[in-house]
Amino acid sequence: DAGVTQSPTHLIKTRGQQVTLRCSPKSGHDTVSWYQQALGQGPQFIFQYYEEEERQRGNFPDRFSGHQFPNYSSELNVNALLLGDSALYLCASSSRLTSGKKNEQFFGPGTRLTVL
Amino acid sequence: AQKITQTQPGMFVQEKEAVTLDCTYDTSDPSYGLFWYKQPSSGEMIFLIYQGSYDQQNATEGRYSLNFQKARKSANLVISASQLGDSAMYFCAMREGPVYGGATNKLIFGTGTLLAVQP
Repeated sequence: DAGVTQSPTHLIKTRGQQVTLRCSPKSGHDTVSWYQQALGQGPQFIFQYYEEEERQRGNFPDRFSGHQFPNYSSELNVNALLLGDSALYLCASSSRLTSGKKNEQFFGPGTRLTVL
Repeated sequence: AQKITQTQPGMFVQEKEAVTLDCTYDTSDPSYGLFWYKQPSSGEMIFLIYQGSYDQQNATEGRYSLNFQKARKSANLVISASQLGDSAMYFCAMREGPVYGGATNKLIFGTGTLLAVQP
């Protein structure tokens, strides 16, 4: 049973460029959340996708957008990259139907984005 | 506003000893969940233990236990018999609201505690 997978593992971009990060949820999961973790900080919630729609959004600008596909995989897009966007981007998946009271999120290994 | 506070940036513990990592939270919602995650240097967040706000007993998972003091809004993680492999960042996180179909399960994280286990 594959866990949450993310690609690529590392990425280097320059200011002003655009980037797309990808996430495949754990088998049986239908909900994908994205988090940004700056160096030395805890993860911060970007947004969550369920049924191909953005259900909740954190305090991030419109430069951050996403998509969820019918197979539940998801993409995170960031436009007009800034130096401050350098971070570890974590994807987490969960299931609304079978999660139980924990509604636990399973995290992927992350994509480390460096903006120069 | 919902908030998680971890006041210990770093902790040292001797191998085989117990260690307590502190976590306090702030929320006005009567229904919430508290999580502890471990993050090794590889970056992946590993779920350790969960405590629901209405759970009567403190949660335990193997060597991990959660000291839940609701009135004080604290949810400290206790690791017994520390092992070298326990060296990592530890994050306390909170999910506000009940768990039911249709609700989001957004997590709010603290800033973490770096635990170093010494031989």
